[in-house]
Amino acid sequence: AQTVTQSQPEMSVQEAETVTLSCTYDTSESDYYLFWYKQPPSRQMILVIRQEAYKQQNATENRFSVNFQKAAKSFSLKISDSQLGDAAMYFCACLLAGYALNFGKGTSLLVTP
Amino acid sequence: IAGITQAPTSQILAAGRRMTLRCTQDMRHNAMYWYRQDLGLGLRLIHYSNTAGTTGKGEVPDGYSVSRANTDDFPLTLASAVPSQTSVYFCASSAGGAADTQYFGPGTRLTVL
Repeated sequence: AQTVTQSQPEMSVQEAETVTLSCTYDTSESDYYLFWYKQPPSRQMILVIRQEAYKQQNATENRFSVNFQKAAKSFSLKISDSQLGDAAMYFCACLLAGYALNFGKGTSLLVTP
Repeated sequence: IAGITQAPTSQILAAGRRMTLRCTQDMRHNAMYWYRQDLGLGLRLIHYSNTAGTTGKGEVPDGYSVSRANTDDFPLTLASAVPSQTSVYFCASSAGGAADTQYFGPGTRLTVL
């Protein structure tokens, strides 16, 4: 079994500032993949970033980057230069090879002007 | 490129009625999934299909059935809807490899009265 925990139900950031969303997971497997999805008010689930557990280098996609700490089973998302359009629900998810995604309960991000 | 389409967008249904939620993808993905999203619980897997002709149960399969007659379509059926099935339902697909990213449809909001 695996669990994904997002300990911050809500976060707030000012426009142009940086914010970090936390995620921890629990698995005994060595081969797995981690994701952050964004869900804006439109309801669409949008892939933000993906990290392979076997890679030591942290994934980066433009203003979005992760801090992947495998030993600590931590996978936080950093959003730099926050924009109003970043306001959304953010879900952390873990994928074991051959299984479906296991999601955290989400963090609601508010971006203030 | 449509990606994944779901129908209907939303539906209000009387308890005890039968309902089929439709999902179609045009990406020729092998694997497809159905999730439900409930407030405070994140997304939970209902059923999945690794390839046409095969299906499997997820975390919360009771009260739901699926079929996968071809690659593109993966309908979800509620044989006799109950109020606890009120939720937002997401269909997703992936190319089918053990580590493939899942892409989501726009969701169906279902209310069972």
